[in-house]
Amino acid sequence: QVQLVQSGAEVKKPGASVKVSCKVSGYTLTELSMHWVRQAPGKGLEWMGGFDPEDGETIYAQKFQGRVTMTEDTSTDTAYMELSSLRSEDTAVYYCATCYAPSCAFDIWGQGTMVTVSS
Amino acid sequence: QSVLTQPPSVSAAPGQKVTISCSGSSSNIGNNYVSWYQQLPGTAPKLLIYDNNKRPSGIPDRFSGSKSGTSATLGITGLQTGDEADYYCGTWDSSLSAGGDVVFGGGTKLTVL
Repeated sequence: QVQLVQSGAEVKKPGASVKVSCKVSGYTLTELSMHWVRQAPGKGLEWMGGFDPEDGETIYAQKFQGRVTMTEDTSTDTAYMELSSLRSEDTAVYYCATCYAPSCAFDIWGQGTMVTVSS
Repeated sequence: QSVLTQPPSVSAAPGQKVTISCSGSSSNIGNNYVSWYQQLPGTAPKLLIYDNNKRPSGIPDRFSGSKSGTSATLGITGLQTGDEADYYCGTWDSSLSAGGDVVFGGGTKLTVL
């Protein structure tokens, strides 16, 4: 059974970067398509991007292009999401989630990581 | 503003049935599978329905999904107080970028009166 365990809460200043990790257990990361979804306080879900197994590439939502980088360390089965040039609007809970192909239903979710951007 | 449109809230009494709609377009729901998620307060979302109408293992058959044209519907029968949560629909959209994007509805808060 797949489990995703994320790193702890972060507080960052505007303009800084944050890197959130997502450790996989029960499967290897290479068997999964990992994506990232965020949720601002009191708001809905927002997809940020993820790994497309058809192309072998990582795809990003246009809104985050140039500011987000998603990487994977297959030696430790850990996925990472780094968001740069943080602003207050980036304050949110960030989730990693596995994408069940071909519809990309997110079947397994991490517990979430709260990122607060404040001066 | 979300690409997919859901009612902000719905309510019904325990034991009753409720439906939640999700409206989109040909670039998303019309040509892609729809998923539904339940988010209990303070927790991560949970997959309820995938591929329009399939339930993952462990999801009771009180939950059902359907799709017609550019709209999808989540149905919940035999409502329980534990069903009080936010519900989201999601699918791919091919119009926002070359590779496609996952889009969600704005969410619907279910109140079991």
